[in-house]
Order: sequence, then C-alpha cells, then structure tokens
Amino acid sequence: AQKITQTQPGMFVQEKEAVTLDCTYDTSDQSYGLFWYKQPSSGEMIFLIYQGSYDEQNATEGRYSLNFQKARKSANLVISASQLGDSAMYFCAMRGALFGNEKLTFGTGTRLTIIP
Amino acid sequence: DGGITQSPKYLFRKEGQNVTLSCEQNLNHDAMYWYRQDPGQGLRLIYYSQIVNDFQKGDIAEGYSVSREKKESFPLTVTSAQKNPTAFYLCASSMMASGRRKQFFGPGTRLTVL
Repeated sequence: AQKITQTQPGMFVQEKEAVTLDCTYDTSDQSYGLFWYKQPSSGEMIFLIYQGSYDEQNATEGRYSLNFQKARKSANLVISASQLGDSAMYFCAMRGALFGNEKLTFGTGTRLTIIP
Repeated sequence: DGGITQSPKYLFRKEGQNVTLSCEQNLNHDAMYWYRQDPGQGLRLIYYSQIVNDFQKGDIAEGYSVSREKKESFPLTVTSAQKNPTAFYLCASSMMASGRRKQFFGPGTRLTVL
C-alpha cells in the first residue's frame, strides 16, 4: 500500500519569500512517481511538477522545484519568490509502479496563504 | 482547445435518487479516473478505466457505478446506495504511453444531497 503524508495543514508566507511544502511517502515499490498539484479556490487541480524515483536530478519547473530525498522518502515542493496567486491548496501525490497502473494516492494537502 | 469538461458544476439531489455526473475529454487520452474530495481532505479514487469497455474499482467504489462506452466519455452514477454522497467530484484523464504520465483534471462537480 502507498501512503502520502503532508504534515502542514496551513502555512502563511510573506510575498516574495521562498516556501517549502513538506511531503513524505511510504511505498514498497522500487519504481514510482511523485507529483505536486495546486488546487485554487475554483477547485480544479493544476499539475505543477513531477519526479520519477530513478531521476538523478531534482525536478524543476519555473519557480517550482522538488527537493527529492529518496533515502528519507521525502519529496518537498519549493516555491521561489512567492506571489499572491500562489495562495491555494497544494497536494502531493504518488503513482504506483506497475505499467498501466495510473492510480494516484493523494495526501491531505497544505493550504498556503501568501501575505502581501 | 483540448481539455476535460464536467457537467453540471453544481448538482442537488434528494435522498434515494440516483444521479449521473458527466465527464468528457478531447485529449485522446486512454485512461480516465473519478475522484471524490471531502472538505479538508485529499482526493480518493472511486473508479478508473484504462481502455474502452473496461474499468476497475478504486478505493471507495461502493455506491457508485461507471461506464466507458466511448474513449472520450466516462460518466459516474452516484446511486442511492452511497450513504454520504455530498462531496466534490473530480474527473481526470491521462495518456498511457507517456513516461511522465501526469493526470489532467476537469473543473469538478459539487454534489449536494438535500
């Protein structure tokens, strides 16, 4: 079974500061994928970044980077130079190892609020 | 523009009634999924389908049913057997062949049982 843990229910960050959202995972699979999604108040889930378990480098997508520490089973999202539009719920998710098994297991999320 | 549409955006249902939520995608994706989200919670998988005319139960399938007669469509029926159906429902799809198989999500349907 796979499990995602997000221990920060809510965070408040000053605009333009960097922010780290924590995510730890548990799986017995050797191959897996980790995702971060953003959910604004409108409800739609927006893909931010992906990290494969065998990727040698940490993933980056614009202002988003993923601090992947495989031995610790952590996949923290780092947002640089935060903006007011970053205020939203953020979910960490994991995909299983089997080819064709696209099931995602989600954490409970972190509500990020950017303060002007 | 390619994407996923869900309708309706808001849905009200009386207890004991079945209701069907629509999900359509024009991304030519093979796989489609239904998730349920309760307040303050993450998403939980209800059903998923990897090819037409085939689907599998997710973690919370009881009280729900689906069909996949066309590649583009994956409707979800919430039956009267679902004890607590009030929730936000999200449909998603993904391409099977891609190595970075991210799921694309629709805008969601908020179901309220009166």
